[in-house]
Amino acid sequence: GAVVSQHPSWVICKSGTSVKIECRSLDFQATTMFWYRQFPKQSLMLMATSNEGSKATYEQGVEKDKFLINHASLTLSTLTVTSAHPEDSSFYICSAPGPWGYTFGSGTRLTVV
Amino acid sequence: EDQVTQSPEALRLQEGESSSLNCSYTVSGLRGLFWYRQDPGKGPEFLFTLYSAGEEKEKERLKATLTKKESFLHITAPKPEDSATYLCAVLLYSSASKIIFGSGTRLSIRP
Repeated sequence: GAVVSQHPSWVICKSGTSVKIECRSLDFQATTMFWYRQFPKQSLMLMATSNEGSKATYEQGVEKDKFLINHASLTLSTLTVTSAHPEDSSFYICSAPGPWGYTFGSGTRLTVV
Repeated sequence: EDQVTQSPEALRLQEGESSSLNCSYTVSGLRGLFWYRQDPGKGPEFLFTLYSAGEEKEKERLKATLTKKESFLHITAPKPEDSATYLCAVLLYSSASKIIFGSGTRLSIRP
């Protein structure tokens, strides 16, 4: 139980385009979703926290206009990287507090060319 | 400032060679400490949650322990399939459900 499904698992996009990443909680309701970014051989850095029905909270230094977060329902949160640039290339992971602790999605490898 | 430090950064062991990974923390009000395993290109996989000093949990070749200042992940007679990055993370009373990750230990087990 307590599965978070994340899609896509990888995406390549051109500079200047936008990319949407989805995270769905499959068997529980996720009122909160955390979005992380991870660079190679580094740990997870929290970018923002989304809450169903309210605006996302962004960590210091994260551009909210660039990383748009929407928590449309109790089972779906999305992260849109707008006007992507090569420096946005990274591994993005979502996580939700579930019945048995924090459950993570499988991650999305974003490459901007 | 709340901090979580993991050591060593990387560890290479021979199959069957037991060892321990360390997670030390300096935080204001620990609510819980988590251990995760992360394989390359995947999201973290939950291993253990510890809540109070003296608590221990085991799963197969892994045992996690907690004191007031640090946690250890002991790995007994490891196998090559135990190779992964092991992350610890803390949940604080003051953090509104956010968890703070350590930088991880990359464990490599040679056959």
